Amino acid sequence: QSALTQPPSASGSPGQSVTISCTGTSRDIGASNYVSWYQQYPGKAPKLIIYDVSERPSGVPDRFSASKSGNTASLTVSGLQPEDEADYYCTSYTDRDDFVVFGGGTKLTVL
Amino acid sequence: QVQLVQSGTEVKKPGASVRVSCRASGYTFTDHYMHWVRQAPGLGLEWMGRINLDSGGTNYAQKFRARVTMTRDPSIATAYMEVKNLKVDDTAVYYCARDEVNYFDFWGQGTLVTVSS
Repeated sequence: QSALTQPPSASGSPGQSVTISCTGTSRDIGASNYVSWYQQYPGKAPKLIIYDVSERPSGVPDRFSASKSGNTASLTVSGLQPEDEADYYCTSYTDRDDFVVFGGGTKLTVL
Repeated sequence: QVQLVQSGTEVKKPGASVRVSCRASGYTFTDHYMHWVRQAPGLGLEWMGRINLDSGGTNYAQKFRARVTMTRDPSIATAYMEVKNLKVDDTAVYYCARDEVNYFDFWGQGTLVTVSS
C-alpha cells in the first residue's frame, strides 16, 4: 500500500482537461514544498514533469500544471493529447524515517 | 548532457545477492545524491533509499534497511545498489535517479532483476 493515494485511473477525450489527485498527510504533502510528478510510458523510465509543487522543467509542455492544497496535490493536464496517455506518479518528501514516498500511480487514458 | 547508464539484466536464485551499477556522466558526480527506486511487474514506484555521492552517507527505506547496501566509487562516477538474500518478490526493475534538490531530474534506463528458483 502506497503512502500517497492516487486514483488508479483517469480518462478524457482529446482537447479536454483531466485532474489527478494525490492525497497524503500533514507529515508529507501537507508539510512539504517538495512535491513532484513523473510521467511513465510502458517499459520506460519515469520522466520528471513537475517539481517543487508547481514548477515545470524546461521542455515540458505548459499543458501540464500542478498545485497543492493542504494534504492533497493535484496534476492537471489541459488540452489532452494522445501522447499524454501514460502512468503518472506523485511523490513527496516526508518527515518520517523514509525520506521519500510515492503515490500508487494513475493510468491516464486518452479516449 | 547528463546520462545515467545502468548495468544489464540479472537472473538470480532466491537467497543470492545482486549488485546493480549506475554510471553517471555529464555532470560533477559528487554534487548530487543518488536515489534508488524499484518497480515490480505491473506495480508502482517504490523508494528504496539514497546515497550522498560525496560523503557516502546513506538513508534507507525501513523496508530495505536490513538487506540493501548503497555505495559509490567517485573515481569512476558510479553508484551501486546491492540487495542481499533475494526473494521472489524482489523481482523488479531497479532504477537509479539523480537528486536535484529534492526531486529526481534524471533517471537511469532501469535494470531488470528476476529472482526465480
